[in-house]
Amino acid sequence: GQQLNQSPQSMFIQEGEDVSMNCTSSSIFNTWLWYKQDPGEGPVLLIALYKAGELTSNGRLTAQFGITRKDSFLNISASIPSDVGIYFCAGLINAGNNRKLIWGLGTSLAVNP
Amino acid sequence: DAGVTQSPTHLIKTRGQHVTLRCSPISGHKSVSWYQQVLGQGPQFIFQYYEKEERGRGNFPDRFSARQFPNYSSELNVNALLLGDSALYLCASSWGPDIQYFGAGTRLSVL
Repeated sequence: GQQLNQSPQSMFIQEGEDVSMNCTSSSIFNTWLWYKQDPGEGPVLLIALYKAGELTSNGRLTAQFGITRKDSFLNISASIPSDVGIYFCAGLINAGNNRKLIWGLGTSLAVNP
Repeated sequence: DAGVTQSPTHLIKTRGQHVTLRCSPISGHKSVSWYQQVLGQGPQFIFQYYEKEERGRGNFPDRFSARQFPNYSSELNVNALLLGDSALYLCASSWGPDIQYFGAGTRLSVL
């Protein structure tokens, strides 16, 4: 199936460090979403981006919608152990009445206390 | 307020059987989407329904079907199960076409 290019695939960091991950695509998206998924749970929405160039924060999380509308990044500042999980980017495609989310493969984050 | 609820949480089936998965959206949400998530990958879009009509379909065989009821709950049906259908099936609801809120999923194992 169709997927976004998300990197890095995994990260292992020390508590307190900052984290950065990004997603790229050859397609243009109208909306970029960032989700976090814990084991055995469904994805939980972190940040939604609607306009090219938009920079949005949610606590220690900051995300930006690329100017070209083909990429986005997510930064986490001062990481804590509960940040552990898999982070997914998702781009929304609107094709008439057909709307669907295209997902990245995820970035697995491990935080060493 | 209740979030998106899915049932059952876990399910074990054998090849060739069929399965029905159920989803209740957040109150007030009229759109329901279904995704398949294989271990180690991101979710793959299967269907989206809005106001009981199919609004989107992913690249899944005809063995997969879904419907949405007047109360906006939804069912995903999979016939003639294959080993490769083993996955976490996620349901997401939304008020509009954009932000989707997910349930905890149904873990399907096909033996």
